[in-house]
Amino acid sequence: EAGVAQSPRYKIIEKRQSVAFWCNPISGHATLYWYQQILGQGPKLLIQFQNNGVVDDSQLPKDRFSAERLKGVDSTLKIQPAKLEDSAVYLCASSLMGDGNTGELFFGEGSRLTVL
Amino acid sequence: SQKIEQNSEALNIQEGKTATLTCNYTNYSPAYLQWYRQDPGRGPVFLLLIRENEKEKRKERLKVTFDTTLKQSLFHITASQPADSATYLCAQGTQESGYALNFGKGTSLLVTP
Repeated sequence: EAGVAQSPRYKIIEKRQSVAFWCNPISGHATLYWYQQILGQGPKLLIQFQNNGVVDDSQLPKDRFSAERLKGVDSTLKIQPAKLEDSAVYLCASSLMGDGNTGELFFGEGSRLTVL
Repeated sequence: SQKIEQNSEALNIQEGKTATLTCNYTNYSPAYLQWYRQDPGRGPVFLLLIRENEKEKRKERLKVTFDTTLKQSLFHITASQPADSATYLCAQGTQESGYALNFGKGTSLLVTP
């Protein structure tokens, strides 16, 4: 079974530039998450989708971050304009259902962003 | 708001010993806790889930406990091996968060031969 796919794996940009990350979840998984993981920290939830609807985006800095999930499958996370503090690994995860009582999250390998 | 805390100090133990990692939460008991392993440069990988009404769960050399009185979960690796060296993340799911996982900072474990 294919896992969660993310691209690009690495990205280096200058501050104020824009960047986009792509995620393809495991087939059949209804819920998709984007997490931000700063070096030495645990993952922090940015946004949760259930199919193609947003369940929780309370921690997404909406002045610069946006995310969409097209047709309830793939998702894109965009940052525009980037700031130095956005340097982090952006992890995409998926799960079968919306609540953790049904099981675990499956994470991709992450996209490492460096903002100079 | 509900917080989850892990000992940020790295844990160094000798091969063959039992590693015990701690996860504490504030305020009310989460509906469940999950434990993940994360290797450098990789995404977290699920290990175990324990629900609020469960005291203990086991999987091979892994054991997790949930103590609602102490507001704490302990994660044990018995007969530890150098291959167990990684960062271990504790995460809580609460009704407040819509059951989305809220992660601790993780504890780095190093098992030496």
